[in-house]
Amino acid sequence: GIQVEQSPPDLILQEGANSTLRCNFSDSVNNLQWFHQNPWGQLINLFYIPSGTKQNGRLSATTVATERYSLLYISSSQTTDSGVYFCAVETAGGTSYGKLTFGQGTILTVHP
Amino acid sequence: SAVISQKPSRDICQRGTSLTIQCQVDSQVTMMFWYRQQPGQSLTLIATANQGSEATYESGFVIDKFPISRPNLTFSTLTVSNMSPEDSSIYLCSPWEGGKAFFGQGTRLTVV
Repeated sequence: GIQVEQSPPDLILQEGANSTLRCNFSDSVNNLQWFHQNPWGQLINLFYIPSGTKQNGRLSATTVATERYSLLYISSSQTTDSGVYFCAVETAGGTSYGKLTFGQGTILTVHP
Repeated sequence: SAVISQKPSRDICQRGTSLTIQCQVDSQVTMMFWYRQQPGQSLTLIATANQGSEATYESGFVIDKFPISRPNLTFSTLTVSNMSPEDSSIYLCSPWEGGKAFFGQGTRLTVV
């Protein structure tokens, strides 16, 4: 099956710093999503971004599907950004519709 | 986005027993999935809950261990049968809407 690798595995920042999280995937995808899991376990869908660039406030994401990677940018980080960031992909092909394969996540800690 | 309610939110169960987890969505969704998140790990897809027919299970998961019902487009149940400590995980239902996956708080299960 498809492999999804995220880097770095852990990231520690001071409040106000910027960061870039990376997601590499091993095969063509129909769908790529970024999630944030807060310290209470709630998963929030940040971006649906199979290709191109999107921005939402301090967060932006870019997916280069031809090169099989996606980047999540966090600017001016805040303590509330702490948690685990997951990249998840849906493999191209009719039998995989809606089925997401998750990366191992990046654990982000933002200190005040 | 869909609002998801899972019950129970957490439980501690004795080994050898079974637990049924309920997932209620506030809108009709064609596709619904069940995921497992083992402690400190990423999410793994268990099965696709198909309305009116048997669930479709991923490799490593079987119906006898994780029977799933989907009686209508807003409700599904997952049963964890004959539990062992290895089943201690967060179990999450995930409706698929508009090409995006959504998650509730999940059910945090501890088997003792």
